[in-house]
Amino acid sequence: GAGVSQTPSNKVTEKGKYVELRCDPISGHTALYWYRQSLGQGPEFLIYFQGTGAADDSGLPNDRFFAVRPEGSVSTLKIQRTERGDSAVYLCASSLRHRDPSTDTQYFGPGTRLTVL
Amino acid sequence: AQKITQTQPGMFVQEKEAVTLDCTYDTSDPSYGLFWYKQPSSGEMIFLIYQGSYDQQNATEGRYSLNFQKARKSANLVISASQLGDSAMYFCAMREANTGNQFYFGTGTSLTVIP
Repeated sequence: GAGVSQTPSNKVTEKGKYVELRCDPISGHTALYWYRQSLGQGPEFLIYFQGTGAADDSGLPNDRFFAVRPEGSVSTLKIQRTERGDSAVYLCASSLRHRDPSTDTQYFGPGTRLTVL
Repeated sequence: AQKITQTQPGMFVQEKEAVTLDCTYDTSDPSYGLFWYKQPSSGEMIFLIYQGSYDQQNATEGRYSLNFQKARKSANLVISASQLGDSAMYFCAMREANTGNQFYFGTGTSLTVIP
């Protein structure tokens, strides 16, 4: 079946602009996660959705970052007033969300490479 | 303290040989899961193998096995019979049952398979 898809694959924008990054999870996966991966680092957690609601947004770095998942499937990560430090690969993952989260494998999309000039 | 530590920034292995990628972790949660992902240059994170904290046996998936030493808090990935296509970044990750909303990732190990 289809995996997690993310669009666009690359996004170049200017400092101060607004961007939206889209994630389409695996069909039937109720849990959706956004991560940010800077060069030479492992992914860092941003936000987790269970269904339509953001169950944990503790990883969002500041109030310029916001994410929605209005129908419990596709999610959009929104970044306002972009800064050069926002340049990174933004990864989306989805999972079935087992009762025991420690057993819950996350499946990742190919990422969106954001470059802020 | 770092939740996941990968101390090998880069590793080289001869084709067809075995290689071990190190991972140590830190948690006080008795229930947790350990995961390994492969990230080729294309960028996608590919799930390789999972080990639960209560699993009695080391996990195996084809050429991948996980050397789980709970007392030492280590979860090393062993790749047997290396292939050129194994060249990639490898990330160790942990998820805790009680704070299970996110994966904690290490900084990764870059593996290069030499023909």
